[in-house]
Amino acid sequence: NAGVTQTPKFQVLKTGQSMTLQCAQDMNHNSMYWYRQDPGMGLRLIYYSASEGTTDKGEVPNGYNVSRLNKREFSLRLESAAPSQTSVYFCASSEALGELFFGEGSRLTVL
Amino acid sequence: DQQVKQNSPSLSVQEGRISILNCDYTNSMFDYFLWYKKYPAEGPTFLISISSIKDKNEDGRFTVFLNKSAKHLSLHIVPSQPGDSAVYFCAASAFKFYFGSGTKLNVKP
Repeated sequence: NAGVTQTPKFQVLKTGQSMTLQCAQDMNHNSMYWYRQDPGMGLRLIYYSASEGTTDKGEVPNGYNVSRLNKREFSLRLESAAPSQTSVYFCASSEALGELFFGEGSRLTVL
Repeated sequence: DQQVKQNSPSLSVQEGRISILNCDYTNSMFDYFLWYKKYPAEGPTFLISISSIKDKNEDGRFTVFLNKSAKHLSLHIVPSQPGDSAVYFCAASAFKFYFGSGTKLNVKP
């Protein structure tokens, strides 16, 4: 059972570069989420998608864009990376308001 | 401002004893609460949850207590085992999920 799969697992960027984090889930969940984890800050919601075709901002959306490509896939794009976006990014999915299932995380460093 | 707070960054407990992790929240609209466990280099995994209509939920060694009037929930682990050593996040939901900053539990053999 793959669950939630994120790629890449590690990435180093230079300031100003762009990149896309990919996420796919195979549990047929309607809702998908992107979180970032920073020391002392816990998990903060960047964007979420309650269902295919909809996306909404979370607590810290600035500097990010998302695409809900289909029911399975939810991508997070950094158009112009900044050092403040150095973090560990987690994708998650859930059925309605049930428990969240998380991917293994993507560690991003912006120099 | 954080709507879900875990004020203890770390907790150390002897194996076999009780571990109590605490969490406070500010939003009275939260109606579903969860605890997640996270090991290094892994994603968080679901541990236990409680609905706002209950004040206690048990699952084996894990019990979650909810005090709505105090806007407080706690996770009890009895007995604690070395394999329980991890970071524990509490989360609260009112359509979206909000997480606390985590408590690192160390269970000493």
